[in-house]
Amino acid sequence: AQSVTQLDSQVPVFEEAPVELRCNYSSSVSVYLFWYVQYPNQGLQLLLKYLSGSTLVKGINGFEAEFNKSQTSFHLRKPSVHISDTAEYFCAVSVNYIPTFGRGTSLIVHP
Amino acid sequence: NAGVTQTPKFQVLKTGQSMTLQCAQDMNHNSMYWYRQDPGMGLRLIYYSASEGTTDKGEVPNGYNVSRLNKREFSLRLESAAPSQTSVYFCASSEGPKHFGDGTRLSIL
Repeated sequence: AQSVTQLDSQVPVFEEAPVELRCNYSSSVSVYLFWYVQYPNQGLQLLLKYLSGSTLVKGINGFEAEFNKSQTSFHLRKPSVHISDTAEYFCAVSVNYIPTFGRGTSLIVHP
Repeated sequence: NAGVTQTPKFQVLKTGQSMTLQCAQDMNHNSMYWYRQDPGMGLRLIYYSASEGTTDKGEVPNGYNVSRLNKREFSLRLESAAPSQTSVYFCASSEGPKHFGDGTRLSIL
């Protein structure tokens, strides 16, 4: 069975600073990888996904993530965050289209 | 969230009561999912349906039943609600999944 570890439960950062949200996974088979964002009292919104091909994946809202097979990681990055990026972020690994989610990282952007 | 509609948005039940959470999508997706979200636990899969007429258990199916009556609708039923089922429930559709509803906030007293 696959598993996902989001290494930070909370990441505080100042506005316009870069940010990296870390995600590691374990699986004995090939996986698909996803990042989602959840704003308060809303459902999840897909930020980006890795299915195959280029290991650098660009998503919405200026986010990108890099798939590293040797380190089994899929870290999410943004070069300059905004106040509006304050939200909960979830990494997920999918095998046969059945995803397993991490416990989430709360990104808090301070002015 | 466009495309996935959940009802109701809020519900309070007493222990032992039953209820059905409704979910419908208008994007012609084959796959649909039910998750529960609890603080610090992420999302945990309750049941999923790969296509109309098929359903499979996820990580936490005990105490729940589902029904995929047609391609659009995927309902989740609690036959005898327990306080441990207090949670936020999300329905989702399409492989990934890509689209989530806004959730049903369920409290069981």
